Amino acid sequence: NAGVTQTPKFRVLKTGQSMTLLCAQDMNHEYMYWYRQDPGMGLRLIHYSVGEGTTAKGEVPDGYNVSRLKKQNFLLGLESAAPSQTSVYFCASSYPEEQYFGPGTRLTVT
Amino acid sequence: GEDVEQSLFLSVREGDSSVINCTYTDSSSTYLYWYKQEPGAGLQLLTYIFSNMDMKQDQRLTVLLNKKDKHLSLRIADTQTGDSAIYFCATLNTGNQFYFGTGTSLTVIP
Repeated sequence: NAGVTQTPKFRVLKTGQSMTLLCAQDMNHEYMYWYRQDPGMGLRLIHYSVGEGTTAKGEVPDGYNVSRLKKQNFLLGLESAAPSQTSVYFCASSYPEEQYFGPGTRLTVT
Repeated sequence: GEDVEQSLFLSVREGDSSVINCTYTDSSSTYLYWYKQEPGAGLQLLTYIFSNMDMKQDQRLTVLLNKKDKHLSLRIADTQTGDSAIYFCATLNTGNQFYFGTGTSLTVIP
């Protein structure tokens, strides 16, 4: 069991560029989440999904889009990156009360 | 939404007990959690407690829940240098959304 994996681990973008972060889980979990972690602010929920084909907004959804076409994958997209999106992004999955995290993606937008 | 608060820093001597505290605002929280994050890594689920319990013990970890005061604590007995990390308190609401505190950085002094 790989658990929750994220690709890429690191990325540097220029302002205005787009990218997609991929999250995969092999635990057959229904729920998946995307968070961002910024210094002094803990984790903030961006978007989440309660099952294949569903998505919902979290606390800080602006500037991000998500898709859950397959149960095991949850994609986070940035259409036009901004310096304010410089952060560490964590994906998590849960069933439903035990939540497990991926190792994170460190994104820098210059 | 829910507010989850923790103190930012705690320093203890190796071999002593550590107590990390957390307060939350949503009385309908169903589960309450403690996660550990080491540098450059994702969050690791340490332990969690159902909201109708007031204590849970798991080896060196003891979780205490005071539901009336909305106060959660994590006690680590015989603290070791390997326990140095950031500890996050989190809650789960009835809509399956998790809320995290800002984290407490625990430093263990040899």
